[in-house]
Amino acid sequence: KQEVTQIPAALSVPEGENLVLNCSFTDSAIYNLQWFRQDPGKGLTSLLLIQSSQREQTSGRLNASLDKSSGRSTLYIAASQPGDSATYLCAVPANDYKLSFGAGTTVTVRA
Amino acid sequence: DAGITQSPRYKITETGRQVTLMCHQTWSHSYMFWYRQDLGHGLRLIYYSAAADITDKGEVPDGYVVSRSKTENFPLTLESATRSQTSVYFCASESRSNTEAFFGQGTRLTVV
Repeated sequence: KQEVTQIPAALSVPEGENLVLNCSFTDSAIYNLQWFRQDPGKGLTSLLLIQSSQREQTSGRLNASLDKSSGRSTLYIAASQPGDSATYLCAVPANDYKLSFGAGTTVTVRA
Repeated sequence: DAGITQSPRYKITETGRQVTLMCHQTWSHSYMFWYRQDLGHGLRLIYYSAAADITDKGEVPDGYVVSRSKTENFPLTLESATRSQTSVYFCASESRSNTEAFFGQGTRLTVV
């Protein structure tokens, strides 16, 4: 069974600092890994999808890396802003079609 | 509107009542999913559908029924609501298996 872990559970940084969010998974036989953002009371917004054959994927200030062999992915957010405050979730597809989610990292960016 | 939409956004119902949550997507994605999100449990899959008229159970299907007569719609019905079904429900879709998933805004359901 795929287990996904995100550490830390919460993170508070001053504006302008770079954010580093970690995601680990137990089964390295994954098709892809997806990062989501969730604002309080809102749905999940897809940020990045990184395919198993890729080492990294970039979108604006966001960069996600993937190391399948070690079962890890890292989401980097450059020059954080208060608007980046949210919960960030990573997810990988499991054999039974569902996505296995981590519990998330709640980020607070202080102005 | 393009995308995936859920209705209602908020619902309060009484124990024992039947309630249906709606999900509609405009992309003609083959796969659709229903998840529930609860503190301490994260997101758990209730049911999914690979195509119209094809549905299957996820992790926590008891007490729920789904149907998919049209590709774009995937309603979730609670046959006889219980307090343990108080949760936030999310619908999601994927164009094919194991591709990028897109989520709706969620339905917050309270069973009293």
